Amino acid sequence: EIVLTQSPATLSLSPGERATLSCRASQSVGKYIGWYQQKPGQAPRLLIYDASNRATGIPARFSGSGSGTDFTLTISSLEPEDSAVYYCQQRTKWPLTFGGGTKVEIK
Amino acid sequence: EVQLLESGGGLVQPGGSLRLSCAASGFTFSNYAMTWVRQAPGKGLEWVSSINNSGGSTYYADSVKGRFTISRDNFKNTLYLQMDSLRVEDTAVYYCAEGGGSKWFDPWGQGTLVTVSS
Repeated sequence: EIVLTQSPATLSLSPGERATLSCRASQSVGKYIGWYQQKPGQAPRLLIYDASNRATGIPARFSGSGSGTDFTLTISSLEPEDSAVYYCQQRTKWPLTFGGGTKVEIK
Repeated sequence: EVQLLESGGGLVQPGGSLRLSCAASGFTFSNYAMTWVRQAPGKGLEWVSSINNSGGSTYYADSVKGRFTISRDNFKNTLYLQMDSLRVEDTAVYYCAEGGGSKWFDPWGQGTLVTVSS
């Protein structure tokens, strides 16, 4: 099974600051990492697919990068509504797996 | 507009059974793989099971293999998850999502809560 390790567990930043979230895979997943955002009481939604492509309707402040085993989700300038938990997921091999999540708090 | 609406959750005793449904609308259901993902209270996301567009291929997490069965009815545009031999640790919100395998999970339903407790 491919294990995805996300760091940090929690990120506390002020509006306008840059957030950098990491996802590391236990083996290469090529470009097949997706990022999801989950706000309290809501279902997750797809933000980024294939490591660097924004899903439909996702603001340009969200960007993804990486390949192989190391991936990054960047929020260039935090907005209050970005407070959420962010998960990475791989679809290279079964079983499909998620990372443990990074909680982004807005000060 | 694509919509996924889960139903069938509830309280069940350990060892019991439950069948979840996910009614799909707004897209050609028979063209897409579908997936169940769960989230235990206060925990992260866990992939449970996926099924291809025709229903001919199914995939399961080890934690549910042999106890859960995923299926679909492409005439009724509905995805199912039959859950047998339920355990306390199966307690979670269960989400259905379009996708699986070669497609990312998008969109997701609102989820249905399954509580396994005596």
